[in-house]
Amino acid sequence: GAGVSQSPSNKVTEKGKDVELRCDPISGHTALYWYRQSLGQGLEFLIYFQGNSAPDKSGLPSDRFSAERTGGSVSTLTIQRTQQEDSAVYLCASSLYVGARGYTFGSGTRLTVV
Amino acid sequence: SQQGEEDPQALSIQEGENATMNCSYKTSINNLQWYRQNSGRGLVHLILIRSNEREKHSGRLRVTLDTSKKSSSLLITASRAADTASYFCATAPAGSGGGADGLTFGKGTHLIIQP
Repeated sequence: GAGVSQSPSNKVTEKGKDVELRCDPISGHTALYWYRQSLGQGLEFLIYFQGNSAPDKSGLPSDRFSAERTGGSVSTLTIQRTQQEDSAVYLCASSLYVGARGYTFGSGTRLTVV
Repeated sequence: SQQGEEDPQALSIQEGENATMNCSYKTSINNLQWYRQNSGRGLVHLILIRSNEREKHSGRLRVTLDTSKKSSSLLITASRAADTASYFCATAPAGSGGGADGLTFGKGTHLIIQP
């Protein structure tokens, strides 16, 4: 597609439920990044993919968070047993390759855990 | 020049020295943020300074903001080899919610700390 597409744009879930967030990067972009942004804060880096591989998962806040990417394209970020502190905007960005300048961000998924 | 332009493009200093990087921008901002990117990694947020703030500290980092000159500086004191990375400033435009899709990133300053 022309830009980075994320779905859903908004998600309200009950505490303890699992949620799955989706990111569809720009076609041809091999690098994909997940960030989290709490209200009024900067971006918190979560994980990146080069192709289907995520070399470093240490940025994920807890073992309730996981991410995968298949076919070098769409990525999903899964949060299990959601907690209220997981409420944030989850942003995805892609670039031509890891280390390339020129990130394109999606418009994010606003997650609210009640 | 583009919004959020860093200066210098590259900087090499000795370990222990202070490193100063500058950022200039063109339009009114809600806030300005500094990020670090280690080779091949994602962006790591360092510090955010709001348009009504003039100076902010975080550990060895000191950020200043001069809205009259539309410029910001990032000072890293007592540099370490691990500080070697690219540093980017990003501006969130005035009137925005500061969301990442509204951020404009500069091209970055590549900082090399020599042991």
